[in-house]
Amino acid sequence: AQKITQTQPGMFVQEKEAVTLDCTYDTSDQSYGLFWYKQPSSGEMIFLIYQGSYDEQNATEGRYSLNFQKARKSANLVISASQLGDSAMYFCAMRPSNTGNQFYFGTGTSLTVIP
Amino acid sequence: EAQVTQNPRYLITVTGKKLTVTCSQNMNHEYMSWYRQDPGLGLRQIYYSMNVEVTDKGDVPEGYKVSRKEKRNFPLILESPSPNQTSLYFCASSSHQAGVREKLFFGSGTQLSVL
Repeated sequence: AQKITQTQPGMFVQEKEAVTLDCTYDTSDQSYGLFWYKQPSSGEMIFLIYQGSYDEQNATEGRYSLNFQKARKSANLVISASQLGDSAMYFCAMRPSNTGNQFYFGTGTSLTVIP
Repeated sequence: EAQVTQNPRYLITVTGKKLTVTCSQNMNHEYMSWYRQDPGLGLRQIYYSMNVEVTDKGDVPEGYKVSRKEKRNFPLILESPSPNQTSLYFCASSSHQAGVREKLFFGSGTQLSVL
């Protein structure tokens, strides 16, 4: 079974501090992609970062990095130097190769950045 | 500009009145999908389509219909809406070209209220 788990319904972080949003996944596929999306209060879904299961380096995109631990099946999102605009819902998603390239989403983490 | 266009943005209707939410993408994507988002439940897939004339049920298909007659369009039909279908709906699309690396592109969402 394919599954994504985000265990933190809500998180708070002080402005300018770093924060880690947890994501664990379950799949028997060897090839898969992992994604993080941001949903601000306006509602749109914004792609943040991608990690491939065969990628040896952890992905980074500006202030976003993905702490990928394949053996533990975790793909945590790290946001450095938090800004007020980072307050949003964050979703982790997986795209396994052997399921017709379907996408599976976690339940999301609501992040609030405190000034 | 590459985009997924979803309409309407907001919709208020009454129980039993048939409605259609339109979705169109201009990226020649094979894969299209509909999700509903409810608080605490994340994004749940309603239906998806791997290509023209190929559709399949997601996790919560009851009460919904879809069709994929053209590659660019994937409308969501609620034949007899009920209050429990009040939700935020997203259409999304993706390519198969690069497999698991391809991200999901989202429409701007449709907030549906069924009275």
